[in-house]
Amino acid sequence: EVQLVESGGGLVQPGGSLRLSCAASGFTFSDHYMDWVRQAPGKGLEWVGRTRNKANSYTTEYTASVKGRFTISRDDSKNSLYLQMNSLKTEDTAVYYCTRVPLCTTRCPIGRDIDYWGQGTLVTVSS
Amino acid sequence: DIVMTQTPLSLSVTPGQPASISCKSSQSLLHSDGKTYLCWYLQKPGQSPQLLIYGVSSRFSGVPDRFSGSGSGTDFTLKISRVEAEDVGVYYCMQGIHLPTFGGGTKVEIK
Repeated sequence: EVQLVESGGGLVQPGGSLRLSCAASGFTFSDHYMDWVRQAPGKGLEWVGRTRNKANSYTTEYTASVKGRFTISRDDSKNSLYLQMNSLKTEDTAVYYCTRVPLCTTRCPIGRDIDYWGQGTLVTVSS
Repeated sequence: DIVMTQTPLSLSVTPGQPASISCKSSQSLLHSDGKTYLCWYLQKPGQSPQLLIYGVSSRFSGVPDRFSGSGSGTDFTLKISRVEAEDVGVYYCMQGIHLPTFGGGTKVEIK
């Protein structure tokens, strides 16, 4: 059974930093691209960013609003995904979900799908 | 970015009746591999989103067959043949041909 368990959320002041973690199990973590998606209170879903796998040099992508402030990383030896968030703003307040991108072998699009989601962790940026 | 537009914003349905949600993309979701990268998710109250449909019309594992997806290019539809109480929540479409973007969501409630 695929499981994604986020941790590390909490209350942080504007300008502060926070590191989220996601523990993955039930699948071969190292094979998959992994994404972070967020949801502000009462709002819709917003894709935050992606880390590709080792075969694709662990390259990353980010949505424009977090580029230069957020960094996604992974540790395949620990089946773990991370989101380092710096220079946090009040508009970053959201539930952050760790998500899995299904495997694709040939002629894959830039985007791909998302198949599994964690339960989310709440980040509140407020003074 | 590809803009995804969902209608209606909300839907109130009598149990056993059908429901339909529309999703339109600002550009074609047909990839050169011949596949169309459009998914549907349901976020039940207090839960994380769950995948219902991928590739426009393929049901994900465990999804009841009362859910069906259709469409092509830029116009897509999710249909529930007979709504049940457990189907309440917010439905989102998502494109995956470029870095993902989501529709604004459609809230489904039971009358």
